[in-house]
Amino acid sequence: DQQVKQNSPSLSVQEGRISILNCDYTNSMFDYFLWYKKYPAEGPTFLISISSIKDKNEDGRFTVFLNKSAKHLSLHIVPSQPGDSAVYFCAASATGANSKLTFGKGITLSVRP
Amino acid sequence: NAGVTQTPKFQVLKTGQSMTLQCAQDMNHEYMSWYRQDPGMGLRLIHYSVGAGITDQGEVPNGYNVSRSTTEDFPLRLLSAAPSQTSVYFCASSLTDGNDEQFFGPGTRLTVL
Repeated sequence: DQQVKQNSPSLSVQEGRISILNCDYTNSMFDYFLWYKKYPAEGPTFLISISSIKDKNEDGRFTVFLNKSAKHLSLHIVPSQPGDSAVYFCAASATGANSKLTFGKGITLSVRP
Repeated sequence: NAGVTQTPKFQVLKTGQSMTLQCAQDMNHEYMSWYRQDPGMGLRLIHYSVGAGITDQGEVPNGYNVSRSTTEDFPLRLLSAAPSQTSVYFCASSLTDGNDEQFFGPGTRLTVL
């Protein structure tokens, strides 16, 4: 049973435009959400996170939105750059469970010059 | 700081062989974890540790053992390798728990024949 779902396996956008990466979750106990970015042959790197007490968190070109009622979050990248081309993983955790992360399958983002 | 290091980078085993994947971090992080990444499956937690002497199971622990005798090291042991354990293995560490930014190593690509 997949608790964190990234239903679109890939996304292609033009450089300078907005990239919107979506993530859904089923476990209502999840209260902390993170995005990680991964380049080929490298380990994932942390990008941005959001607590369930917020509905938006912004860091430069990256913004994460959380809709708790819909159990949905999205990562917005504006403007998209070719260097953003990577696999993006959504992850979630529940307070009190040693914050073990549950990851989605990932979305491959391609930014066309 | 070297961050999180993993050895070896690549390994080929025959079914039934045992081996240890090494992981070390020099950031004095309490939390360390092991993930495997399989095509179309995202990252799945194998085992984790919240401090020296303390380990616990993740989502897919069967066939793997861990120990945490020091803060720095968190080796992953495959007891009797099986083809189903062919995967890319990532070690990660963070300051206190999984919700903190986790720093990932570069990964070990393991093939079991």
